[in-house]
Amino acid sequence: GQNIDQPTEMTATEGAIVQINCTYQTSGFNGLFWYQQHAGEAPTFLSYNVLDGLEEKGRFSSFLSRSKGYSYLLLKELQMKDSASYLCAAMDSNYQLIWGAGTKLIIKP
Amino acid sequence: IAGITQAPTSQILAAGRRMTLRCTQDMRHNAMYWYRQDLGLGLRLIHYSNTAGTTGKGEVPDGYSVSRANTDDFPLTLASAVPSQTSVYFCASSDSSGRGTDTQYFGPGTRLTVL
Repeated sequence: GQNIDQPTEMTATEGAIVQINCTYQTSGFNGLFWYQQHAGEAPTFLSYNVLDGLEEKGRFSSFLSRSKGYSYLLLKELQMKDSASYLCAAMDSNYQLIWGAGTKLIIKP
Repeated sequence: IAGITQAPTSQILAAGRRMTLRCTQDMRHNAMYWYRQDLGLGLRLIHYSNTAGTTGKGEVPDGYSVSRANTDDFPLTLASAVPSQTSVYFCASSDSSGRGTDTQYFGPGTRLTVL
């Protein structure tokens, strides 16, 4: 079956760095997406990886290892507004997104 | 303002009633999707449409129907609502035929409670 695993909740301190891991198992693979979702709001796109390696976009970076079925989202210089859920989603061979349950990130001052 | 709109924002519905959730996008995206989001679960695909005039079933299609008469609109209908359909419903669209790397953009969601 198809499956996405990511931690349910993480806590970090303002100004610090946090890494949110995601492992995936899908029928075929056409890329890995990360979305941010603030409470009561819609998911918004953060990053996309299809090749192995690190993609950097400002304070946020995303890494992919296709051979390990593994990705992480790295958030640097954490700000209070980064408190949100972070959703990992893998695109399968039918080009459908398989979603993880999300990681709730709590930022403490 | 470009984007996706959904209506209503929230709704309380009696079990057995028929309900249509509306979704409209003005980005001329080919593909559109309906998801439900429940606490502790990932987004689950209900139905999708790769282009106007075509629709497909997702992971949890039972009890729901959709139509895609034109590019912009993708309504979701609950023919006879049941309490297990209580959820937050998100509509999304992407600028592709459902293939490739194109990002899905989400509407603000509809919070539906079935009593």
